[in-house]
Amino acid sequence: DTGVSQDPRHKITKRGQNVTFRCDPISEHNRLYWYRQTLGQGPEFLTYFQNEAQLEKSRLLSDRFSAERPKGSFSTLEIQRTEQGDSAMYLCASSPGQTGTTIYFGEGSWLTVV
Amino acid sequence: QKEVEQNSGPLSVPEGAIASLNCTYSDRGSQSFFWYRQYSGKSPELIMFIYSNGDKEDGRFTAQLNKASQYVSLLIRDSQPSDSATYLCAVRGTNAGKSTFGDGTTLTVKP
Repeated sequence: DTGVSQDPRHKITKRGQNVTFRCDPISEHNRLYWYRQTLGQGPEFLTYFQNEAQLEKSRLLSDRFSAERPKGSFSTLEIQRTEQGDSAMYLCASSPGQTGTTIYFGEGSWLTVV
Repeated sequence: QKEVEQNSGPLSVPEGAIASLNCTYSDRGSQSFFWYRQYSGKSPELIMFIYSNGDKEDGRFTAQLNKASQYVSLLIRDSQPSDSATYLCAVRGTNAGKSTFGDGTTLTVKP
C-alpha cells in the first residue's frame, strides 16, 4: 500500500501565475477528495470525484480553481491567476467510496503565493 | 454557526492523565464520525471512526457518540507527550460524500 501521493510537496509562485497539483490516490480507492487548509483552521472541502465524475464542488470555490480526474485514477487541481489568499496546504484524500468509510490523506502540497 | 464545532484549546494535561476532546455537529442526518490527529506541518492521520451511539475503544483511545445530543468525544487515556497535536473532528452526512471538519483542538501533554 503506497498511500496517497501528492506532487509537488512545496510550491512558491508569484501572484498571477497558474499552479497545478497532482494527486495519486490509493490504487483501489474510487473516491478522491481535495481539501484546503490554512493555519489554525480545519481542512476545508473543495471538491470530490467518484471515478472520473466530479460529484460535488464547494460553492466557496472560485472559478479560478478547477479539478480533473480524467481516467478515474490520478487527479489534478489547477489554480489560475493565483492570489496571496490562495496560500495554504492543499490536501488530497481518497476512500473506497462505500458509505461510512474513512478518507485517507496524502502529505499535502504547500502553496505560497508571493 | 459552523457545521462542526470544537474548542480550539489549547488543552493541557499532565503525562499519564486522561485527555477529553469534544465536538458538536449541526446536521442531524450525519452518519459517520471521525477523529484525526494532526502534527504541526503534517497532514491529518486517522485515529478512530464511530458510526453508532455509545463508546468505541481502540487501545488508549475511546470515541463516544451521542446522536440525540449531536455530540462526539474522544478520550485519550494515559496521555503521552507524543500525543501533543491538534485533534480534528470530522462528520460525514448521508450521501457518503464529503466529510466536514472542525477547526481542531490543540492538545499539549506535559511530561
